[in-house]
Amino acid sequence: ETGVTQSPTHLIKTRGQQVTLRCSSQSGHNTVSWYQQALGQGPQFIFQYYREEENGRGNFPPRFSGLQFPNYSSELNVNALELDDSALYLCASSLGTAPPVFGPGTRLTVT
Amino acid sequence: SQQGEEDPQALSIQEGENATMNCSYKTSINNLQWYRQNSGRGLVHLILIRSNEREKHSGRLRVTLDTSKKSSSLLITASRAADTASYFCATDFQNTGKLIFGQGTTLQVKP
Repeated sequence: ETGVTQSPTHLIKTRGQQVTLRCSSQSGHNTVSWYQQALGQGPQFIFQYYREEENGRGNFPPRFSGLQFPNYSSELNVNALELDDSALYLCASSLGTAPPVFGPGTRLTVT
Repeated sequence: SQQGEEDPQALSIQEGENATMNCSYKTSINNLQWYRQNSGRGLVHLILIRSNEREKHSGRLRVTLDTSKKSSSLLITASRAADTASYFCATDFQNTGKLIFGQGTTLQVKP
């Protein structure tokens, strides 16, 4: 079985731009969660999707939005990028109450 | 916001020694999990302990949980250079997979 994959690995954007990050969940997993990890910090929960519906959201503004597709892959969209959005974005997929499986992350730099 | 504190923030030991990391949290939990992260990449799940458990073992790992003190510890015995990584505790309030992470402990094991 394949694990969780994320793309791209790295990207650099300019303040004010928009970005889309992608995540393919592990085979059989129907839940995807996104986390933001600033340098030197622990990951912070952004939101979770279950069967294509948002299923909980952390303390992030509306310019952070997401989608989950019928194959349970997911996208994280961030509009009007700010310098503080520079971080490692982690996607994690899960099934039921089993611990989530994390992808390798996308490193976003906003200049 | 982070769930709680981890200490120490950084730990440096010699190969073969034991490493102990502590985690405190603020709210009631369903379970607490420990993760490892190498070089700012994806998180690897190490162990899960439920709120009604007090101690759990997995290989060289031993985790304790004291819900009255809202704290947990991770012990790595007979450490190896390959254990060098950042370690995070994460709490799951309602067993939903929406994790709240601590700030992590950076462990360096010197050969």
